[in-house]
Amino acid sequence: AQTVTQSQPEMSVQEAETVTLSCTYDTSESDYYLFWYKQPPSRQMILVIRQEAYKQQNATENRFSVNFQKAAKSFSLKISDSQLGDAAMYFCAYRSTQGGSEKLVFGKGTKLTVNP
Amino acid sequence: EPEVTQTPSHQVTQMGQEVILRCVPISNHLYFYWYRQILGQKVEFLVSFYNNEISEKSEIFDDQFSVERPDGSNFTLKIRSTKLEDSAMYFCASREDRDTEAFFGQGTRLTVV
Repeated sequence: AQTVTQSQPEMSVQEAETVTLSCTYDTSESDYYLFWYKQPPSRQMILVIRQEAYKQQNATENRFSVNFQKAAKSFSLKISDSQLGDAAMYFCAYRSTQGGSEKLVFGKGTKLTVNP
Repeated sequence: EPEVTQTPSHQVTQMGQEVILRCVPISNHLYFYWYRQILGQKVEFLVSFYNNEISEKSEIFDDQFSVERPDGSNFTLKIRSTKLEDSAMYFCASREDRDTEAFFGQGTRLTVV
C-alpha cells in the first residue's frame, strides 16, 4: 500500500519570504498523481497544485511550485512571496492510476504559520 | 464555478442514532468519494462510488456505514448507529474522470454526544 509522509508537523515563514514544505511517498507504481491540498481554518480542502508522475517538468501555479524528484520519491511544495492568507494546514496526497477507485492517500499535514 | 455542496455544515446527534450526510457532487462528475478527518488527524478515505456501486471501501467503512446515490444528483453517507468515535469532519469529493483531480465539499462536522 502506498504511504505519504510529511516530516514537518509545523513550519513558519515571514510574510513575503519563501518556504518549502516536504513530502515523501512510498510506492511501487510508475504512474501516479501527486497533489498538495490546503486546508484553512474553515477546514475546506482546496487543491493547490498537482503533478503527473510521467511528466518531468515541475508543476507551477503562480506563487506555488513543486520540486518533484521521482527517483527519490520526493514531492516538496515551495511557496514564494508568502502571504497571510497562505496560513493553513497543507496536505500532500498520492493517487494511483491503476485499477480500482484511485482514492487519495494523504500525509498527516504540515501547519504553516505566516508571520507579519 | 461548479462546486461540491454538503449539508448540513454541522450536525449534533446522540450516540446510537442514525445520521445521513448529504452531498451534491459537480454535475458532470462520475467518481464520488467520502473521506473523514478526526480533529487534528489526517484525512482518511472511507469509500468510493462509481457507476452506481461501491468501487472500494476502507476498513473504517464497516456495516454501520452505507452510501447511496438515490436520484442521480445527491450522494449520501448514512451511519446507522453512531458512536462517539464517529465524531469527525466528513468530506465528500467528486471527480470527472481518471485524469482529473478531486474537488472537495466544505465538509460536515459531525458531533456524537
